[in-house]
Amino acid sequence: GDSVTQMEGPVTLSEEAFLTINCTYTATGYPSLFWYVQYPGEGLQLLLKATKADDKGSNKGFEATYRKETTSFHLEKGSVQVSDSAVYFCALRRDTGRRALTFGSGTRLQVQP
Amino acid sequence: DGGITQSPKYLFRKEGQNVTLSCEQNLNHDAMYWYRQDPGQGLRLIYYSQIVNDFQKGDIAEGYSVSREKKESFPLTVTSAQKNPTAFYLCASSNPGGSGANVLTFGAGSRLTVL
Repeated sequence: GDSVTQMEGPVTLSEEAFLTINCTYTATGYPSLFWYVQYPGEGLQLLLKATKADDKGSNKGFEATYRKETTSFHLEKGSVQVSDSAVYFCALRRDTGRRALTFGSGTRLQVQP
Repeated sequence: DGGITQSPKYLFRKEGQNVTLSCEQNLNHDAMYWYRQDPGQGLRLIYYSQIVNDFQKGDIAEGYSVSREKKESFPLTVTSAQKNPTAFYLCASSNPGGSGANVLTFGAGSRLTVL
């Protein structure tokens, strides 16, 4: 079945550090890939997405590139801020069959001033 | 503003009781979903509905039930058969077609604690 694997957290960084959160997936066909962010006590918000191979999703300084050859969708940001502290979820959605999202386990990011 | 409203935000239940979590959306979305979130784990799909009066089991449907009598409403009942119901429950919606087809909009969640 479909699955998404994320690096375990927490990831602790100082402000202005470079961020990478790894995400790999297993799925048949050509899924769409997503990053969602969850702030404490809240639901999830879409951060960025990519719908086909080599697409780059970007938003608020975050970027991720859909790499079909390595089945990866790593999240990066060049300079993190304290306000980026949250839990980040990688997810996929099949192009056929069940259309509900399959999520990874989440990675908590803590940014220290 | 359009969005998804979940209620209650916090709920306490005694063992053996059924409880119903409400999810209402005014986004005119066709599809709705229920996910469960446990500490240190990702979201797991409980049930989903692509259209009114139709729904399908997700990965962990045992001990849960849903209904979809109206487009805007998708309540989740946690029954006494659910062995470990303490969790954070998230409702989401999307439109199956068009440019926004892949994007789920989430509610703020309901935290259920079994005493």
